[in-house]
Amino acid sequence: DTAVSQTPKYLVTQMGNDKSIKCEQNLGHDTMYWYKQDSKKFLKIMFSYNNKELIINETVPNRFSPKSPDKAHLNLHINSLELGDSAVYFCASSQELTTRTDTQYFGPGTRLTVL
Amino acid sequence: DAKTTQPPSMDCAEGRAANLPCNHSTISGNEYVYWYRQIHSQGPQYIIHGLKNNETNEMASLIITEDRKSSTLILPHATLRDTAVYYCIVISYNTDKLIFGTGTRLQVFP
Repeated sequence: DTAVSQTPKYLVTQMGNDKSIKCEQNLGHDTMYWYKQDSKKFLKIMFSYNNKELIINETVPNRFSPKSPDKAHLNLHINSLELGDSAVYFCASSQELTTRTDTQYFGPGTRLTVL
Repeated sequence: DAKTTQPPSMDCAEGRAANLPCNHSTISGNEYVYWYRQIHSQGPQYIIHGLKNNETNEMASLIITEDRKSSTLILPHATLRDTAVYYCIVISYNTDKLIFGTGTRLQVFP
């Protein structure tokens, strides 16, 4: 049983295109996140959703938009892709956002390459 | 942006204990120390966390110094499958920032 799954695993696309990455968790968690891991292996949080409400929106470009049809899904849509968007994107989930002691479970990642 | 400092790489013989240090000298009273690891091409995996007391679970032990400015993750009997990048991060109760630094690449050799 995969706890947090992402699709696709690899995504290669041209500059200027619009793409989406999907994430699903079957843990019954209330909060889901998107992280970006850059080439230097820094992993930074981009967004989190708690009960379909955006809680965190780090200073990411508005070309990135999270969409959550229900609490088990948090998709990441990216408009007008740029070279600098190339990275590995991780989805994660946790039971709650309010207590930071909560463990986050990560998906396998999506490697996005923008040409 | 990372609030922690870790050595970039370490080696450990299989079966021996791996001790991974982490400095977090600016840690504040409400911040926890978390350890994750990332095996190649996989998502980060939670290992252990603590506030000020030493912690142990089935994967590892976490030793936090009395002043909380540093900690050590101990894998008591390292295996080849423990080869990964290990991230030490501090998480504030009040803010929701979660930034992984560059981590320590642990190589376990036979």
